[in-house]
Amino acid sequence: GQQVMQIPQYQHVQEGEDFTTYCNSSTTLSNIQWYKQRPGGHPVFLIQLVKSGEVKKQKRLTFQFGEAKKNSSLHITATQTTDVGTYFCAGLLGLDDKIIFGKGTRLHILP
Amino acid sequence: ETGVTQTPRHLVMGMTNKKSLKCEQHLGHNAMYWYKQSAKKPLELMFVYNFKEQTENNSVPSRFSPECPNSSHLFLHLHTLQPEDSALYLCASSQDLVLRDRVNEQYFGPGTRLTVT
Repeated sequence: GQQVMQIPQYQHVQEGEDFTTYCNSSTTLSNIQWYKQRPGGHPVFLIQLVKSGEVKKQKRLTFQFGEAKKNSSLHITATQTTDVGTYFCAGLLGLDDKIIFGKGTRLHILP
Repeated sequence: ETGVTQTPRHLVMGMTNKKSLKCEQHLGHNAMYWYKQSAKKPLELMFVYNFKEQTENNSVPSRFSPECPNSSHLFLHLHTLQPEDSALYLCASSQDLVLRDRVNEQYFGPGTRLTVT
């Protein structure tokens, strides 16, 4: 079936190091959203990307949407302990307007 | 607070019990969702409602029965559950099901932590 693959599943980084998570779809996406879920919390919306090749920044977070609108990435520069959590991508599949969440990348920061 | 509330926050039930989860959104949204979150499948979409009508049922077993009496309220009725149904059940809402040219984020409630014994 239709899937949005997200890698890696887990990532441990030293505080201050960079972090990247990737989302890939076999079919073209109408848009892609990113969410963050803190430990013990619920997913919170971060951003939505719509255009091919789009790049958006939020402070230390950089979001990219691929030219073919089949992949996306979230990059965090100089991670901080507040970045701990699971990052989910959610793709809107163009043909039937179905929202598919990736399995998430759990980020752990080592002090 | 995201404007989406869920009750109860924690629930322990036996396999023969019948219980209901409640979700309420105060955002004036038209679409509401039930998700199951467990270690094996981090965020699994169960049901989608748009303007009170069910638009998606992701092959969910019949022991889970959703109800959407109006656009602000969503219920998940549970009966004869199995231990593997233990999970965090998240409710979410969004302005509409699809907004192609505008941001259409989902607002999640805090979830109900369900344990089936």
